[in-house]
Amino acid sequence: AQTVTQSQPEMSVQEAETVTLSCTYDTSESDYYLFWYKQPPSRQMILVIRQEAYKQQNATENRFSVNFQKAAKSFSLKISDSQLGDAAMYFCAHMNRDDKIIFGKGTRLHILP
Amino acid sequence: DAEITQSPRHKITETGRQVTLACHQTWNHNNMFWYRQDLGHGLRLIHYSYGVQDTNKGEVSDGYSVSRSNTEDLPLTLESAASSQTSVYFCASSEGGETQYFGPGTRLLVL
Repeated sequence: AQTVTQSQPEMSVQEAETVTLSCTYDTSESDYYLFWYKQPPSRQMILVIRQEAYKQQNATENRFSVNFQKAAKSFSLKISDSQLGDAAMYFCAHMNRDDKIIFGKGTRLHILP
Repeated sequence: DAEITQSPRHKITETGRQVTLACHQTWNHNNMFWYRQDLGHGLRLIHYSYGVQDTNKGEVSDGYSVSRSNTEDLPLTLESAASSQTSVYFCASSEGGETQYFGPGTRLLVL
């Protein structure tokens, strides 16, 4: 069965610094998708970044980038130049070709001014 | 702009009552999903649908049902609400292989 593990329940980072959130997953599939979603206090689920497993190049979206290690089944999120608005719960997620998503339990990120 | 909406946004009900949560999307997506979010569990899949008249059970489907009579709507029904079903419920939609887009969530309290 698919699983997604986020080993850091909470993290803190100083404003303007860089932080990396960890995620590992388990799947028997070779073709799948990985996501990071952000959930601010409003509870809205917001897509941060998406990675297709067949692509070797790591996805980037402005200050957000991933380190995708397919063999190690690792998918970490790096946030550069952290801003107060980045404070949120971050969920790592895995999706197979059946379009069903399995979420990790989340990492709560605090930004220290 | 296309969107996905949920109603009500907040609901208080009593144990044993039937409750229906609405989900409506204007993306014209075939796939629709219902999740519940609880502290310490992240989001867990309740039911999902790949198209009209198609419904499937997810990880935590006991006590819930869905029906899909058109592309836009996937209502979630709690047949007899229990206190264990107090949670935040999210609806999402997607097209094959694409990103799921989420509604704003419904906070349900069962007393």
